[in-house]
Order: sequence, then structure tokens, then C-alpha cells
Amino acid sequence: GESVGLHLPTLSVQEGDNSIINCAYSNSASDYFIWYKQESGKGPQFIIDIRSNMDKRQGQRVTVLLNKTVKHLSLQIAATQPGDSAVYFCAETLPIQGAQKLVFGQGTRLTINP
Amino acid sequence: DGGITQSPKYLFRKEGQNVTLSCEQNLNHDAMYWYRQDPGQGLRLIYYSQIVNDFQKGDIAEGYSVSREKKESFPLTVTSAQKNPTAFYLCASKRVGQGTYEQYFGPGTRLTVT
Repeated sequence: GESVGLHLPTLSVQEGDNSIINCAYSNSASDYFIWYKQESGKGPQFIIDIRSNMDKRQGQRVTVLLNKTVKHLSLQIAATQPGDSAVYFCAETLPIQGAQKLVFGQGTRLTINP
Repeated sequence: DGGITQSPKYLFRKEGQNVTLSCEQNLNHDAMYWYRQDPGQGLRLIYYSQIVNDFQKGDIAEGYSVSREKKESFPLTVTSAQKNPTAFYLCASKRVGQGTYEQYFGPGTRLTVT
């Protein structure tokens, strides 16, 4: 079936360190992946995306890696800051009746320790 | 100032009552979506609409209804048939077109039914 899951539900890192959040997906038909950040009581915010024809994409302090062979996605955040504390979701897009559906993982809660 | 608004932020209802959650967007997006989020969980798709006057059931549509009479509005009604209506409800919108995947989310409505 279709599912997107995360290896670790919680992650704590020291401020200034790098963090890596992992995600496993099961549907090889997905051609686009997004990482969202969700702060408490708010809607998800787009962080970075990657298409299935790429294996790496970099943004400001963030890098997404895609390994299609093992259906694995990761989000690397460099030099973490207190504002990075949030829940991070990966999502894959799947076609549904001429549209696109986002399938979300359960999320990883990232806590930045001072 | 473009974006998606959801109101109210918090909503309380008694069991057995229908309740309608508002979602408005001024991004001129054709597609709109409703998701439900339970504590510690990812987002699950309730309903989506690709165009005015048309909408489709998502993965967990039972006990919910929607309408799409205007492009900018996609209200969700939580009916008394929904067994566990207490949750955080998120609305999203997206451009429709080749290569457009990112969904923009509203701030959410937290519904509590007692």
C-alpha cells in the first residue's frame, strides 16, 4: 500500500550542530517529494522539495537527499538554531484521478537544545 | 497579502451537532484540500477539489461534507456521523498545472467535540 514513514519520531540536537531527519517511502510511482516544517499549533510550511530524477537538492542550510534504490529520503539541517525546533514531515505525491495527492509520514519532532 | 485563512482557530461543539469550518484563499489557486491531523500523526486527506463545483473524496471522507461554490472558498462540514471529530483540521491550496506540486497550508482549526 502507499505509506510514508519516518525512522525516528523524536530527535534532539545541540544548537549549532547538524541534524539529519530520515524518511522511508513505499511507493516507487511517486515522482516528487516535499519536506514540510510544522510548528506547534500552526499549519505546515514548505521547506524544500526534490523530484525523482534528482538525488540531491540544496537550499539555505537544508539539503534533501533521495535514494530511490532503497526508497529513502533525508533532510539535513546545518548549524541548527532554536527556531528549527518543530515537527518535520516528508510527503510524497501520488496521482489520483487526474490530480496529485500528498501522502504524509508521521513526522519527526526535532528539538534544539541550547 | 496573499494566503490561506481558516477560521476560527479554536472551535468547540457538543456531540451530535454539525459544524462548518471555513477556508478562504486569495492565491487564485484552483485546487483546494482538507486534511485532518491527530496528535503525533501525519496529515490525512479528507476531501479535495480541483475546480469550482467539483470535489472528490479523499482517504477519510466518511462523516464529512464539502462544497466548492467559489474558487476562493472550500468549507468543510463535520457532521454528527463522524465518529471521532476532535482533531486539528488543515486546509491547503495549490496551483493546477504541469509540474506544480507544492500545497500551501492555512493555520488550521482545532475542533473539540465533547
